[in-house]
Amino acid sequence: AQRVTQPEKLLSVFKGAPVELKCNYSYSGSPELFWYVQYSRQRLQLLLRHISRESIKGFTADLNKGETSFHLKKPFAQEEDSAMYYCALKSPGGSYIPTFGRGTSLIVHP
Amino acid sequence: EPEVTQTPSHQVTQMGQEVILRCVPISNHLYFYWYRQILGQKVEFLVSFYNNEISEKSEIFDDQFSVERPDGSNFTLKIRSTKLEDSAMYFCASATGGSDGYTFGSGTRLTVV
Repeated sequence: AQRVTQPEKLLSVFKGAPVELKCNYSYSGSPELFWYVQYSRQRLQLLLRHISRESIKGFTADLNKGETSFHLKKPFAQEEDSAMYYCALKSPGGSYIPTFGRGTSLIVHP
Repeated sequence: EPEVTQTPSHQVTQMGQEVILRCVPISNHLYFYWYRQILGQKVEFLVSFYNNEISEKSEIFDDQFSVERPDGSNFTLKIRSTKLEDSAMYFCASATGGSDGYTFGSGTRLTVV
């Protein structure tokens, strides 16, 4: 069974500090991984996906198959980064149901 | 940029009443989903829909729930007899089925009183 684990429910940092939101997954095949962000009272938005190896809003995430991780990182946090972040896994084939982690609330203090 | 549209944005209903939540997915998407998020909790998968039928559903999606794509554009979630614990934000999402992720609607906040 596929599973996404985000061990931290809350991450609190000061502006300018580095941020790492952890995501570990369990899946037997080759998963596709995503990070979604949900700003207060807004919809879930796709932040980035591992397949495109992009950097969005200064965030990056590298898929580490050996450690089965897809941690989200940003070298210098900004106050506007405060939001809920969800790691999601999509299994190829079938109905492409994404499995979400429980989310990590990032609070960036001024 | 194409969007997934959900209506209404907020619905208040009495316990035991039927509600229908509406979604208009992106037109060239093939996979459709409903998720819910109880206040303060994580996003939970309810059901996926492909090729005019349910392809997967979770334990949450019991006989009180049903989905329909009546006219090729709308994708609805019906709750036949609402319970207090159905109060949540309900998100519709659609996807092409490729590797480009999912597009979520802005959600319908359902409040059962």
